[in-house]
Amino acid sequence: GENVEQHPSTLSVQEGDSAVIKCTYSDSASNYFPWYKQELGKGPQLIIDIRSNVGEKKDQRIAVTLNKTAKHFSLHITETQPEDSAVYFCAASNENSGAGSYQLTFGKGTKLSVIP
Amino acid sequence: ETGVTQSPTHLIKTRGQQVTLRCSSQSGHNTVSWYQQALGQGPQFIFQYYREEENGRGNFPPRFSGLQFPNYSSELNVNALELDDSALYLCASSLDRENYGYTFGSGTRLTVV
Repeated sequence: GENVEQHPSTLSVQEGDSAVIKCTYSDSASNYFPWYKQELGKGPQLIIDIRSNVGEKKDQRIAVTLNKTAKHFSLHITETQPEDSAVYFCAASNENSGAGSYQLTFGKGTKLSVIP
Repeated sequence: ETGVTQSPTHLIKTRGQQVTLRCSSQSGHNTVSWYQQALGQGPQFIFQYYREEENGRGNFPPRFSGLQFPNYSSELNVNALELDDSALYLCASSLDRENYGYTFGSGTRLTVV
């Protein structure tokens, strides 16, 4: 099955700096890669996703890049703000898994702290 | 439009007992997935329900079972609770089984003592 590795496990940045979180996946058939933000006491919230037919996607201060050959994808947050502090998870899935379920395999998470 | 609601928010059970967790999917969503999130870990897929049928299962033993009702709400049942079952249980709904626009609930924190 799919295995997703995520680094770093913790990340501290000064407000206004950029933050980068990296993930690698093992299953070359995976073609959907979402990123989730989880705040304390809440469920994960989808912040951005990318499909394998796209190399990069951007939404305001957040961007995701995908390298299918190397099987890795990254989350970039620019101009970080204190409210960006949370745990971020990457995930991978295969949308074309046939009759099977479209399960997400998550990384272990990155705790991002933005220091004011 | 309401989001995904889960109940209860917290509960404590004794090893060997049985527990039922409940989830109301977001309006218009017919697919519900359940995930287990151990402390400090990413969520792990338990199973998915699509139009009242189980639509795939992760690497969890049969004592983890579920149901989906005609209104697309869902239950997760765990029998013979073990200490390692202590975790946050997350329910996520999506528009259909091929749409990854998952909306997660805030979860049920289960502690087994």
